[in-house]
Amino acid sequence: SSELTQDPAVSVALGQTVNITCQGDSLRRYYASWYQQKPGQAPVLVFYGTNNRPSGIPDRFSGSSSENTASLTIAGAQAEDEADYYCNSRVRTGYHGVFGAGTKVTVL
Amino acid sequence: VHLAESGGGVVQPGRAQRLSCVASGFVFSTYALHWVRQSPGKGLEWVALISYNGKDTYYADSVKGRFTISRDNSKNTLFLQMNSLRVEDTAVYFCARDQDGIIPNFYFDSWGQGTLITVSS
Repeated sequence: SSELTQDPAVSVALGQTVNITCQGDSLRRYYASWYQQKPGQAPVLVFYGTNNRPSGIPDRFSGSSSENTASLTIAGAQAEDEADYYCNSRVRTGYHGVFGAGTKVTVL
Repeated sequence: VHLAESGGGVVQPGRAQRLSCVASGFVFSTYALHWVRQSPGKGLEWVALISYNGKDTYYADSVKGRFTISRDNSKNTLFLQMNSLRVEDTAVYFCARDQDGIIPNFYFDSWGQGTLITVSS
């Protein structure tokens, strides 16, 4: 299967930690990347690969991976972290990409 | 790094449209590039990939045979030729740079602002 599965929505209290997960067979072979998208804006890469955070992304964003599951953690969530988060990876065979359906993160 | 798409608009089903993405701020010819789309209110969908030199192209099953990705490295421009458009192709189309230029890794480290294609009669 080339699908990536994400929970549709999660909520987190201000300043607390939230984990967003992404499951799929492709993650057994390829690392995920994670994107934050706010309404009306283009997605922004927030974490990718084994342990990479793009320049300018706060260090409260981190990622991990195990077998067929990738996770994005926001430690000490801020109001500005409220957004949709998408995982993505290359499919297991071939040069095709696949996105998860997205997780809406609400900061309470 | 800056990517700017253009070419969006309203198109009738069955017709064609070409999108462009002009890049600046990096050595265009050394990066693989992608098109990603997002239907209104929906999630992201990978559409197509082109290698840094334009020799290799790959497509999502949903557009294969109808869409063609190409690039002009002399003009720092990426294209998406969309033929036989369907209502379900209605979406914002983003161009995105692959973080690793030579061997695409599907980490999209820079995105344009997107251009909206509406397929409707």
